[in-house]
Amino acid sequence: DTEVTQTPKHLVMGMTNKKSLKCEQHMGHRAMYWYKQKAKKPPELMFVYSYEKLSINESVPSRFSPECPNSSLLNLHLHALQPEDSALYLCASSDQRNSPLHFGNGTRLTVT
Amino acid sequence: GDSVTQMEGPVTLSEEAFLTINCTYTATGYPSLFWYVQYPGEGLQLLLKATKADDKGSNKGFEATYRKETTSFHLEKGSVQVSDSAVYFCALSDPSGGSNYKLTFGKGTLLTVNP
Repeated sequence: DTEVTQTPKHLVMGMTNKKSLKCEQHMGHRAMYWYKQKAKKPPELMFVYSYEKLSINESVPSRFSPECPNSSLLNLHLHALQPEDSALYLCASSDQRNSPLHFGNGTRLTVT
Repeated sequence: GDSVTQMEGPVTLSEEAFLTINCTYTATGYPSLFWYVQYPGEGLQLLLKATKADDKGSNKGFEATYRKETTSFHLEKGSVQVSDSAVYFCALSDPSGGSNYKLTFGKGTLLTVNP
């Protein structure tokens, strides 16, 4: 079982909808990440939070809005997405810089 | 900048065959190197890691040795099983590359093992 839990597992949304992806870890890790993965491609980094502060934003469009309410939770708020945003969204955490990442099983997002 | 090059495959083997997936890297500093595995429908799992030259990472029968002289981190397994069918990603983390949180991934190698 993965130690990083993501909900929901699957999400279908229209281009005018607002939805949120959720991620939770209880390993005491202080860095949390959002990645986007298209089919047959490696994950692409979107955001990094370190000690609950946004550390990296990889020039992600504003229709994706991350939030880190506390050290265990990470959200990704979605609004006015495009069909090309359909992908697997992966959350990950790590306990310090250069440590291995622990990934969740992802949310499979389809934008119609 | 940092980069990782791995054989893209797909690789198809029979059960009990020997596996090698090549991975070479370019980095400005002294990176840590990782192999991640992604089973169908799942996220990525760390398979093994090495943090300095000549380190050998190993797990579940898989091995990889950090070779600084050839900038390589090839993944090997002596006898693959059907359950090893997955996508394998080579990755590096380079603290001198400007960000301590970025992983640079290779493109991934799809491995299919037939009974």
